[in-house]
Amino acid sequence: GAGVSQSPSNKVTEKGKDVELRCDPISGHTALYWYRQSLGQGLEFLIYFQGNSAPDKSGLPSDRFSAERTGGSVSTLTIQRTQQEDSAVYLCASSLGPGLAANTGELFFGEGSRLTVL
Amino acid sequence: AQKITQTQPGMFVQEKEAVTLDCTYDTSDPSYGLFWYKQPSSGEMIFLIYQGSYDQQNATEGRYSLNFQKARKSANLVISASQLGDSAMYFCAMREGPGNQGGKLIFGQGTELSVKP
Repeated sequence: GAGVSQSPSNKVTEKGKDVELRCDPISGHTALYWYRQSLGQGLEFLIYFQGNSAPDKSGLPSDRFSAERTGGSVSTLTIQRTQQEDSAVYLCASSLGPGLAANTGELFFGEGSRLTVL
Repeated sequence: AQKITQTQPGMFVQEKEAVTLDCTYDTSDPSYGLFWYKQPSSGEMIFLIYQGSYDQQNATEGRYSLNFQKARKSANLVISASQLGDSAMYFCAMREGPGNQGGKLIFGQGTELSVKP
């Protein structure tokens, strides 16, 4: 597609349930990022995938959070045993990744998945 | 560790006037990139402007310019001739390392700009 696509756009779940959020990056972008944005706050880095390299998981807040990227394209962020503090907008972004001299590393964002944990 | 600081939670500006949004950063990497994004109430993240640490000139994009003061580690965004549509959250972000090596962006807490008619 033309832009970064995220689904679902809205998800309401009960505390303790697992949720999966999906991200489809821009075609040709090798880097993919997940961020979390709580209401009125900045963007909190969660995880970064670059090609076939091991992901940078340094931002994941707990072991209930995990993400995978299959075939170097689509990514799924999974939150197990959701808690009310997990309520936020989860933003996915992609970028060209390494290799191009003129690449600034600009991130292109999806519209986010709004998660509400009751 | 890298760090981005935006000290202005909220700002007001009169339509048609210029406004400066502050951003300071901290890194020990000599190569880095600085970004500004706009987030309207709709929630989308809109890229505005980029400054590389080795760029000699301050970046400009239309009504946006970046006042890059390397020694002070500041990268303030200047919006000239403010418009009502400029009302939004503005985020400063930094990436350590050269752009063509990729890397995560770390964001500041944002500044909410309100443009008054």
